[in-house]
Amino acid sequence: AQSVTQLDSHVSVSEGTPVLLRCNYSSSYSPSLFWYVQHPNKGLQLLLKYTSAATLVKGINGFEAEFKKSETSFHLTKPSAHMSDAAEYFCVVSDEANYGGSQGNLIFGKGTKLSVKP
Amino acid sequence: NAGVTQTPKFQVLKTGQSMTLQCAQDMNHEYMSWYRQDPGMGLRLIHYSVGAGITDQGEVPNGYNVSRSTTEDFPLRLLSAAPSQTSVYFCASSYSGQGSGTDTQYFGPGTRLTVL
Repeated sequence: AQSVTQLDSHVSVSEGTPVLLRCNYSSSYSPSLFWYVQHPNKGLQLLLKYTSAATLVKGINGFEAEFKKSETSFHLTKPSAHMSDAAEYFCVVSDEANYGGSQGNLIFGKGTKLSVKP
Repeated sequence: NAGVTQTPKFQVLKTGQSMTLQCAQDMNHEYMSWYRQDPGMGLRLIHYSVGAGITDQGEVPNGYNVSRSTTEDFPLRLLSAAPSQTSVYFCASSYSGQGSGTDTQYFGPGTRLTVL
């Protein structure tokens, strides 16, 4: 069964410095992987997704993630943090279990809260 | 398009009361789902539907019922509310029903439920 582990529950960076949010996954299949962002008291917004095309995926707001099969990782990065990046970030894998109808289900990591200091 | 809408935004219930959380989408999506979000737990799947008339259980279905009579609507019913159901509930939808692990899911704004 698929699973996702976000290695840090909280990351704090200064504005203008790089962001690294770490995610490892477990999957028996070739996974589809996503990063979602949730700003305080808001819904979830898709940042980017990996679907077995290019291993380096570019998303919105300058974020990108690299799929590394050998390391089973899908870390999220941004070269320069902005105050508006402060939010909670979720690494997500699509459930590709081999029974009907479940392939759309998402399995979420527990989230990483990103704080950005001025 | 309004996207995915949820009502109400906030609700307070007493233990034992029942209620329905509404979810609607206007994107003609086949797949719809309900998640609950608890601190430090991420989001966990409650129920999902791959099309009108078809529903199935997710990871944490106990205490909840769903039905899907139309493509647009996917209500979540709490039969007898318990304090353990205090949570934020999110509805989501995506285009395809099956074999669609690559589809983007669109989330509603959430319903914050407190059970006293």
